[in-house]
Amino acid sequence: EAGVAQSPRYKIIEKRQSVAFWCNPISGHATLYWYQQILGQGPKLLIQFQNNGVVDDSQLPKDRFSAERLKGVDSTLKIQPAKLEDSAVYLCASSLGPWEETQYFGPGTRLLVL
Amino acid sequence: GNSVTQMEGPVTLSEEAFLTINCTYTATGYPSLFWYVQYPGEGLQLLLKATKADDKGSNKGFEATYRKETTSFHLEKGSVQVSDSAVYFCALRRGSSNTGKLIFGQGTTLQVKP
Repeated sequence: EAGVAQSPRYKIIEKRQSVAFWCNPISGHATLYWYQQILGQGPKLLIQFQNNGVVDDSQLPKDRFSAERLKGVDSTLKIQPAKLEDSAVYLCASSLGPWEETQYFGPGTRLLVL
Repeated sequence: GNSVTQMEGPVTLSEEAFLTINCTYTATGYPSLFWYVQYPGEGLQLLLKATKADDKGSNKGFEATYRKETTSFHLEKGSVQVSDSAVYFCALRRGSSNTGKLIFGQGTTLQVKP
């Protein structure tokens, strides 16, 4: 079974530029999560989708971050404009449903904002 | 609020030594508890979990017991190997939550020397 796919794996941009990350969850997984992991910290949930609807985006900085999952499968997370403090690893995870205990994580996208 | 606190790292051990990584939590309701592991260059993987008090999760020689009276979920292994070198994250998921959000500790780096 294929795991969660993410791209790109690495990205370097300058502040005030925009960037987008892509995630393809495990086939059949209805729930998709985006986490932000700053160096030295544990991952923090940014947004959770159930199919193509948003369940929780309470910690998403909506003035600069946006995410979509239009067809309930792939998802894109965008930052515009980026700030230095956005430098982090962005992790995508998926699960069969919101009550499913096990979340499967992708390898992450490492973002450096200069 | 809900939070997870882990012991500071790095933890450096010799091969075959006994491992304990402490984890305590603060949560409302009856959370599920998890240990995730992140090997160098890879994504987070679920190591073990426990969903109710006194449950013991185990996998690959690692164990952790859900202690409600001490709000703890310490990770243990009787004999570590060099291949266990990784970052370990303790996490909780609120039992009463209608989302799947995981709340992570800051992570503990384990280095095992031959």
